Amino acid sequence: DAKTTQPTSMDCAEGRAANLPCNHSTISGNEYVYWYRQIHSQGPQYIIHGLKNNETNEMASLIITEDRKSSTLILPHATLRDTAVYYCIVRLPIGSSNTGKLIFGQGTTLQVKP
Amino acid sequence: EAGVAQSPRYKIIEKRQSVAFWCNPISGHATLYWYQQILGQGPKLLIQFQNNGVVDDSQLPKDRFSAERLKGVDSTLKIQPAKLEDSAVYLCASSSRSGLLVGEQYFGPGTRLTVT
Repeated sequence: DAKTTQPTSMDCAEGRAANLPCNHSTISGNEYVYWYRQIHSQGPQYIIHGLKNNETNEMASLIITEDRKSSTLILPHATLRDTAVYYCIVRLPIGSSNTGKLIFGQGTTLQVKP
Repeated sequence: EAGVAQSPRYKIIEKRQSVAFWCNPISGHATLYWYQQILGQGPKLLIQFQNNGVVDDSQLPKDRFSAERLKGVDSTLKIQPAKLEDSAVYLCASSSRSGLLVGEQYFGPGTRLTVT
């Protein structure tokens, strides 16, 4: 699976948009980009995923560059409850030699401040 | 919809003792995962089940760790004997499968193990 690079930490003011970058320059054509977050003392929580097109759901938006070498997770109006570690993961679909597993890196610690 | 259940939430044991963790996945989810998360790191997959068969256990320290998923539902993870470096949070997750993608994984709250 492709390796991802994320900043170690970021701050964001409450009510403002949080933009979390992720670099995945070695991503292959059939690998998906997934985002999970982990609030303190809880298990990770799925946020969103995409392949080529930008995606939006009730939690966030995912912007993937045209060359697919990087992406940005956008939390449009960050709240204090969005303080968490955010993981960007690239993942192959299930195949004869792939189980579809997630490989977590260190993630980005997002601190939302009042 | 009930989430992934895990027990116990916390466990403290001495090194060389044995410990077992239990996981009940979301109803109908065929895929079950056990992860180990050491403080300050991301979760690391230990073992993945598809129904009651093992799909991936390449990262499981098989000399001391074992896991089973009888009847393709609940699962237990055992450590025998425990070492100090096994202190971590053990997370269970489950997912359904749709086509070429395994659906998003739903995680339980985890079991925090401290080995003294």
